[in-house]
Amino acid sequence: QKEVEQDPGPLSVPEGAIVSLNCTYSNSAFQYFMWYRQYSRKGPELLMYTYSSGNKEDGRFTAQVDKSSKYISLFIRDSQPSDSATYLCAIMDTGRRALTFGSGTRLQVQP
Amino acid sequence: DSGVTQTPKHLITATGQRVTLRCSPRSGDLSVYWYQQSLDQGLQFLIHYYNGEERAKGNILERFSAQQFPDLHSELNLSSLELGDSALYFCASSVGSTTGELFFGEGSRLTVL
Repeated sequence: QKEVEQDPGPLSVPEGAIVSLNCTYSNSAFQYFMWYRQYSRKGPELLMYTYSSGNKEDGRFTAQVDKSSKYISLFIRDSQPSDSATYLCAIMDTGRRALTFGSGTRLQVQP
Repeated sequence: DSGVTQTPKHLITATGQRVTLRCSPRSGDLSVYWYQQSLDQGLQFLIHYYNGEERAKGNILERFSAQQFPDLHSELNLSSLELGDSALYFCASSVGSTTGELFFGEGSRLTVL
């Protein structure tokens, strides 16, 4: 079993839709939870970062962490064609000092 | 632009050869991470250096080695290359070593023929 599981998609939605992206993880030692966005042929860029359970909002993006269920989500409101990219969840194991990535979900927002 | 510079951007070589990938971190960042990204394996953590010292090792093959120099740039050496080593190799940097806020370079695309 992988430490971080993520549905690879692809996920295709119309412009303006609400998008929900999810990951599950297995290691309770994981402490920092991140979402990265990767455009084609580019390096990943950090979108959002949270430490605790609960929600964190930044503009159209909301990150949600449920440590009891070992489940993290990213919601995108009013999705735009420019949001078309691969979204990677990433979780930091501070004990190993290593950031483990999910396999990424490819999102396509249709105009 | 993340501020992380990787060279070369593209590299084509033959099996059995050796290559060196170079990374310059963002100004002020002490940590350098190397990741390998392939279609079937996703983004795999290879190794982490902090201020010149190795801090964590991931799924790095024995044929691969890395180091971080006093000026904080890092090099990833890949030897006895195999077809399966063809991938995108990313370098990322961060200020510290524990939070996971990484800034990635554009990657070096290695093709082994």
